[in-house]
Amino acid sequence: EVQLVESGGGLTQPGGSLRLSCAASGFTFSSYWMHWVRQAPGKGLVWVSGINIDGRTTTYADSVKGRFTISRDNARNTLYLQMNSLRAEDTAVYFCARVRWPFDYWGQGTLVIVSS
Amino acid sequence: QSVLTQPPSVSGAPGQRVTISCTGSSSNIGAGSDVHWYQQLPGTAPKLLIYGNNNRPSGVPDRFSGSKSGTSASLAITGLQAEDEADYYCQSYDTSLSASYVFGTGTKVTVL
Repeated sequence: EVQLVESGGGLTQPGGSLRLSCAASGFTFSSYWMHWVRQAPGKGLVWVSGINIDGRTTTYADSVKGRFTISRDNARNTLYLQMNSLRAEDTAVYFCARVRWPFDYWGQGTLVIVSS
Repeated sequence: QSVLTQPPSVSGAPGQRVTISCTGSSSNIGAGSDVHWYQQLPGTAPKLLIYGNNNRPSGVPDRFSGSKSGTSASLAITGLQAEDEADYYCQSYDTSLSASYVFGTGTKVTVL
């Protein structure tokens, strides 16, 4: 059974940093692109970032480019999102998702709150 | 921020048919990018409902169907059931300067 479990969310002040993790199991992690998608409270889904199978190719939404860094550890079957210079508008539930064509499996999400 | 537009809400009685539109542009759906649909039940993660415009993953009832034409796509739910009450999102890929994955604005389906 495919499982994606996010962790690392929490409350931080504007300008702060957080590192999210996504532990994968039930599939060959190193064979899939992985992505982060976020959802602000009461709002829709917004794609954040993606990473290819060996971690050498990464893509970012303009809104997070230069502030967020996606990475992966295929030996640990774990996806990461380092978030720096956080802003109030980054407040959201962050989902990790497996992608082969569509986003076919999603984690349950981890809540990030940026507030003073 | 969303470049795919959906109606905010649709509703129907049990057993009825409802459709949700997803309107894009020449840089995404109109460029040939496939459309996928996701269902998000209250308080849960999104779940893949339709992929590649009109394909259902294993386990998704055939009450759900998708179509695509030009710069738009649609999701149809026939034989509406109470458990279908959820938010639905379309998703595609945008080939513009800031190439990226794009989601629709989302549609709340209410079963009357």
